[in-house]
Amino acid sequence: QVQLVESGGGVVQPGGSLRLSCAASGFTFSRNAMHWVRQAPGKGLEWMAVISYDGSNQFYADSVEGRFTISRDNSKNTLYLQKNSLSAEDTAVYYCAKERENHYFDHWGQGALVTVSS
Amino acid sequence: EIVLTQSPATLSLSPGERATLSCRASQSVRSFLAWYQQKPGQAPRLLIYDASNRATGIPARFSGSGSGTDFTLTISSLEPEDFAVYYCQHRANWPLTFGGGTKVEIK
Repeated sequence: QVQLVESGGGVVQPGGSLRLSCAASGFTFSRNAMHWVRQAPGKGLEWMAVISYDGSNQFYADSVEGRFTISRDNSKNTLYLQKNSLSAEDTAVYYCAKERENHYFDHWGQGALVTVSS
Repeated sequence: EIVLTQSPATLSLSPGERATLSCRASQSVRSFLAWYQQKPGQAPRLLIYDASNRATGIPARFSGSGSGTDFTLTISSLEPEDFAVYYCQHRANWPLTFGGGTKVEIK
């Protein structure tokens, strides 16, 4: 049973930083690329970032390039998203997602809410 | 960036009716398109990948078609659990993008 459990969400001030974690189980984590996707309140889905199975390659959406960093620790079966210089526009539920293959998402976490507010 | 435009924004139908959802890409994505279903308070679920392939465990009433820039998700006969928001997503290049969604609501 594949499980993805996000943690680290919460309230952060504008300009602040936050790191999300996603603990994976039920599959061979080190064999799959992983992604972060976010959803602002009442809005649609927005793809954020991807990291290859071994961590050697990452791609980002333009909206977060230079501010967010995706990383992984295959020894801990954990995916991370470091978010810096946060603004109100970054308020969203952040999902980690397992790549089925070829950049589709077959399993998702339950989401972590990040609220950027003073 | 490839823009995906979904229509209609809202579809009001009754259980048992056929639902036809559209996704149009700003440039060709070949057959590299997926559909997801999202219910309130839940994460999305993969329904269709590469335009027409059903994901594991997805009922046969869901079908996808199209290629290039025009795609369709069809639900042949709506079940009560199918009322939700549906998103398309392409994988033709970076960045990956999603459409804005179509809400299928009970009429």
